[in-house]
Amino acid sequence: DADVTQTPRNRITKTGKRIMLECSQTKGHDRMYWYRQDPGLGLRLIYYSFDVKDINKGEISDGYSVSRQAQAKFSLSLESAIPNQTALYFCATSDSVERTDTQYFGPGTRLTVL
Amino acid sequence: AQSVTQPDIHITVSEGASLELRCNYSYGATPYLFWYVQSPGQGLQLLLKYFSGDTLVQGIKGFEAEFKRSQSSFNLRKPSVHWSDAAEYFCAVGGYNFNKIYFGSGTKLNVKP
Repeated sequence: DADVTQTPRNRITKTGKRIMLECSQTKGHDRMYWYRQDPGLGLRLIYYSFDVKDINKGEISDGYSVSRQAQAKFSLSLESAIPNQTALYFCATSDSVERTDTQYFGPGTRLTVL
Repeated sequence: AQSVTQPDIHITVSEGASLELRCNYSYGATPYLFWYVQSPGQGLQLLLKYFSGDTLVQGIKGFEAEFKRSQSSFNLRKPSVHWSDAAEYFCAVGGYNFNKIYFGSGTKLNVKP
């Protein structure tokens, strides 16, 4: 079984709809991240969480919100989806005990907003 | 500010040829450096990382990278490319107590038969 899972893997929705992307991990890591990937732009950080009570905005948090329901679960919400939120979304985890804080990624969710 | 530059957007090499992907970073202290690979339709897989010690780092799938502080570079190399290496490659930089890592925009590798 994969260590970092994301659901759904693909989603098509309409402008104005509320969408939730979910991430679960079995690695026992305390830190979790949400990124979006757009062609030519690499990965940009949306939100990150260092534990259940510590949530921080990344470089592109506008239009997004998150919830850390448990150490193993981190959800990303789009309250009112718009077409320029069409992208590939990745969840990642890391362990603060590990000196380099290496991040491990889920398989991604491809979101299309019409 | 921290940043990563991957100057090559696309690279095409013949199968069996050698490969070098370039990465330059901007960071004020000793960086932690990473290379990830993303195969089509897949997530990112860690190839290798550098945080201290030997500046030549060995990774999975026969890849290696060399940290050159004087050039602020961390180029990825492979002596003989296989068709299965066709993918997008991302360089990233972080640092001690840095809390986040920054990604480059990626280099897409095509492999000709």
